[in-house]
Amino acid sequence: GAVVSQHPSRVICKSGTSVKIECRSLDFQATTMFWYRQFPKQSLMLMATSNEGSKATYEQGVEKDKFLINHASLTLSTLTVTSAHPEDSSFYICSARDIRIDTGELFFGEGSRLTVL
Amino acid sequence: GENVEQHPSTLSVQEGDSAVIKCTYSDSASNYFPWYKQELGKRPQLIIDIRSNVGEKKDQRIAVTLNKTAKHFSLHITETQPEDSAVYFCAAMGTSYDKVIFGPGTSLSVIP
Repeated sequence: GAVVSQHPSRVICKSGTSVKIECRSLDFQATTMFWYRQFPKQSLMLMATSNEGSKATYEQGVEKDKFLINHASLTLSTLTVTSAHPEDSSFYICSARDIRIDTGELFFGEGSRLTVL
Repeated sequence: GENVEQHPSTLSVQEGDSAVIKCTYSDSASNYFPWYKQELGKRPQLIIDIRSNVGEKKDQRIAVTLNKTAKHFSLHITETQPEDSAVYFCAAMGTSYDKVIFGPGTSLSVIP
């Protein structure tokens, strides 16, 4: 099946710094990737849709200047949490759809646990 | 936009019993309804899905039913096993073949 890889799996940073998370589709091309945020024991909240070669589409309430998304190639999307603060600590997980399969199924990365001190 | 609700939030069953999780969605245009299983600290994995042109789908011990008129869909797990213990998320996707909106999740515990 389609494989999505995410890196890093864990990151700890100081308040005020920026953190970049990478999401790669390893064996397929993804024109669209999705970034979700998950708090402990809560659901997957869609943050934004990453579109290859164009601007990301952000969900209501998500600050686009805070969460920068870049989808520069058909296999890589990045999420940069800028000027991170403790309230940004969360589990961030990306997903992508393999259009060759055409089922609508989302394939998820392993997730990245961000801790901001 | 789409809103997905899910019940119950927690569910405990004895091994061998059945488990049922119910979801409702708001957007009548949604046409794809996947169910994901997430074990602690791991990525969600698709376990079964259903499209709006069918009312029921079964895969071994897992089945999903869909009532488009009522905008309800349900997950049924029979003969539950301890390894079924996890958080289950229902989701809905609209006609744009675009974003998938998840329900709040159900934490299932299967007691040996």
